[in-house]
Amino acid sequence: NAGVTQTPKFQVLKTGQSMTLQCAQDMNHEYMSWYRQDPGMGLRLIHYSVGAGITDQGEVPNGYNVSRSTTEDFPLRLLSAAPSQTSVYFCASSRRGLAGTAWGNEQFFGPGTRLTVL
Amino acid sequence: AQSVTQLDSHVSVSEGTPVLLRCNYSSSYSPSLFWYVQHPNKGLQLLLKYTSAATLVKGINGFEAEFKKSETSFHLTKPSAHMSDAAEYFCVVSDPFSGTYKYIFGTGTRLKVLA
Repeated sequence: NAGVTQTPKFQVLKTGQSMTLQCAQDMNHEYMSWYRQDPGMGLRLIHYSVGAGITDQGEVPNGYNVSRSTTEDFPLRLLSAAPSQTSVYFCASSRRGLAGTAWGNEQFFGPGTRLTVL
Repeated sequence: AQSVTQLDSHVSVSEGTPVLLRCNYSSSYSPSLFWYVQHPNKGLQLLLKYTSAATLVKGINGFEAEFKKSETSFHLTKPSAHMSDAAEYFCVVSDPFSGTYKYIFGTGTRLKVLA
């Protein structure tokens, strides 16, 4: 049981390049999320998914796309990288909670991807 | 609306002394509350969670937290700090009546343990 895996661990991009951050979980969790972590700002939600084929925006979605074709995978795409997207990105998964919310169930986090955009 | 405030961005303690990391929340109803720890260059690991059962919650590595509804607080404590406790700690809230799948994170408290 690998939990939540993320690839790559590190990535350097030039402004304007595109790339995909991969995330996979083997716990059959319904919910998956992408966060970015910046110093002094905690974790901010980029996009999330409540099941295969269903995604929604978080608080900082601009410049990112997601899709969820399977329960296991939730890739994050940077369309045209900008220096403001330099950050550490975390993927997380959890079980569906009370009344379809996040209530009651903890998230499991991947090890993160450290992205630098020059 | 949900919100979380971690009252200290940095806390320093000596090894063997108690740890107190403070968290206040705002939620429309009985929330679920979590504490996570993040060691340098690692992902987040769950320390403990509260989901309206006992108000004193015990977690891993000797940590515990007490839910106080009247004070809207969920402070994290440990009787005796160890060098390995040096890390960043996040308080997180989820509201069952938010209508959405969202966890709200505090901005984190960095714990330093002095030898």
